[in-house]
Amino acid sequence: GNSVTQMEGPVTLSEEAFLTINCTYTATGYPSLFWYVQYPGEGLQLLLKATKADDKGSNKGFEATYRKETTSFHLEKGSVQVSDSAVYFCALQNTGNQFYFGTGTSLTVIP
Amino acid sequence: KAGVTQTPRYLIKTRGQQVTLSCSPISGHRSVSWYQQTPGQGLQFLFEYFSETQRNKGNFPGRFSGRQFSNSRSEMNVSTLELGDSALYLCASSLSGGNNYGYTFGSGTRLTVV
Repeated sequence: GNSVTQMEGPVTLSEEAFLTINCTYTATGYPSLFWYVQYPGEGLQLLLKATKADDKGSNKGFEATYRKETTSFHLEKGSVQVSDSAVYFCALQNTGNQFYFGTGTSLTVIP
Repeated sequence: KAGVTQTPRYLIKTRGQQVTLSCSPISGHRSVSWYQQTPGQGLQFLFEYFSETQRNKGNFPGRFSGRQFSNSRSEMNVSTLELGDSALYLCASSLSGGNNYGYTFGSGTRLTVV
């Protein structure tokens, strides 16, 4: 079946620290992979995506590379800001169009 | 370009009642999906509609139903509400669904069942 496992939180970092949030997946076929971000009281916003193996998605300084050999899609950012504080969800989309989400990782960045 | 609009934003209902939530997709989008978000279960897929037809359904009881109108607006209905139905309900719209099309999520409807 399809599932996503992501790093448990919460994660607390100082401003300008390096961020990694691990995400691994199980899927049949060739899913697309996504990172979504959710700010308090809001819905989900697409952060980045990758649709095939070895693709790198990037946006706002965040990056993630679709690694089929390790079934991973880890999120990274070189220097986090206070405004990056949010909950981050890794997700995959396979045939059938539905998303399978990880449990979410809460990130707090302190000045 | 207007985003995905969900109404109402907040709702309080009593156990046993029923509730209807509304989702207006981005203009031109024909696919609408619904998700339930709870602290315990995370984000779970409810169903997807495309051109007024339910195309895919998650693993929820029959108390959860939906429909889509000719203008692509969608409603979901929950009958005989239970305390466990308290959640943030999110809808997402897409041009036609599928892996290569972007999905835009609304801000959600926060349902509290008391």
